[in-house]
Amino acid sequence: QQPVQSPQAVILREGEDAVINCSSSKALYSVHWYRQKHGEAPVFLMILLKGGEQKGHEKISASFNEKKQQSSLYLTASQLSYSGTYFCGTAITGNQFYFGTGTSLTVIP
Amino acid sequence: NAGVTQTPKFQVLKTGQSMTLQCAQDMNHEYMSWYRQDPGMGLRLIHYSVGAGITDQGEVPNGYNVSRSTTEDFPLRLLSAAPSQTSVYFCASSYRFLSGYTEAFFGQGTRLTVV
Repeated sequence: QQPVQSPQAVILREGEDAVINCSSSKALYSVHWYRQKHGEAPVFLMILLKGGEQKGHEKISASFNEKKQQSSLYLTASQLSYSGTYFCGTAITGNQFYFGTGTSLTVIP
Repeated sequence: NAGVTQTPKFQVLKTGQSMTLQCAQDMNHEYMSWYRQDPGMGLRLIHYSVGAGITDQGEVPNGYNVSRSTTEDFPLRLLSAAPSQTSVYFCASSYRFLSGYTEAFFGQGTRLTVV
């Protein structure tokens, strides 16, 4: 049930771009993205709904392809503050919400 | 607003002991859930509730019980702790589930070690 994320980990220099992918074997109602700093709780970034909507949050945007059951998170011109673990979250069945396996992102100067 | 409050923040248990992890939210959210977080495995759903008096199992429910007697509270009970339950536990709530159309708010987590 748990969506699969790739890559598992990525290291970037400040200013570089990154893409994190989230893939599910089941049909998705919606996709969420969260970021978790070390030792803290996950924090909501954005929701994507059916229809291939692309949402944005500062220099972070995402897309949702419901036919392919995939979502991608795009981080452009990365900043040190972007470091953390990114999780996608998906509503697969009516009332169950599953998070992905996580992608560790480290931005270095 | 306090948001989602979890207690305790840290706990060490001996194998076989039982305990309750507390979770309370003051946002009048209908949907509440418990996750465990283990290295490399992300957040896995243990149990969830769509409203007072209604609970259901998630992906990894064995060894855990929940109840939802009020909208605000959603405690997680470990019946007989095992080392495999060593993990970080997060409680989350959202206004309504509606197929995941509302964001989840998380508590600060409980780091549990079973020895």
